[in-house]
Amino acid sequence: DAKTTQPPSMDCAEGRAANLPCNHSTISGNEYVYWYRQIHSQGPQYIIHGLKNNETNEMASLIITEDRKSSTLILPHATLRDTAVYYCIVRVRVDDMRFGAGTRLTVKP
Amino acid sequence: DGGITQSPKYLFRKEGQNVTLSCEQNLNHDAMYWYRQDPGQGLRLIYYSQIVNDFQKGDIAEGYSVSREKKESFPLTVTSAQKNPTAFYLCASSLGRTGTQYFGPGTRLTVL
Repeated sequence: DAKTTQPPSMDCAEGRAANLPCNHSTISGNEYVYWYRQIHSQGPQYIIHGLKNNETNEMASLIITEDRKSSTLILPHATLRDTAVYYCIVRVRVDDMRFGAGTRLTVKP
Repeated sequence: DGGITQSPKYLFRKEGQNVTLSCEQNLNHDAMYWYRQDPGQGLRLIYYSQIVNDFQKGDIAEGYSVSREKKESFPLTVTSAQKNPTAFYLCASSLGRTGTQYFGPGTRLTVL
């Protein structure tokens, strides 16, 4: 089973880009990388996912290294409302998502 | 509005009582999931269902039961056999077995 490693916490200044790293060195070729975030006492919110190529949507960008052993979620202009726990997940089985402890991002004014 | 609803938001029960948590979705998703989250921890899978009238145990199914009689609904019963039921419970659904999972707002259960 692929596992992910994320820093427990990070700070970011409001208006700056937040770059959240994730290591998944044992990822298999057909496993996707998913990112979710969870604001306190709410359900996780889907952000983005990818397989090999970099992906961008209205919320964020996902950069996956060529060897797929790590990825970075980029919030281009962080706001105070982006303060949350961010989860990087590699899909182990098709029917579940293994959530670790994630990275607690604090956006500061 | 399409989405996933969970009710109630907060639930209190006395020790030894069974309690049922509701999860409804109008996204026309085939698969539904129940997770448990303890303070400061990630999510752990309790049960999942890929189709009506079928469901499978997740990593921590002991002390829980589910049913899937309708596509839209996947209720979770926390039985008295669950030793430490106080937690935040999250329901999710996905279009298929490989689809992105979308989560409801959660139910916080407290055993008094």
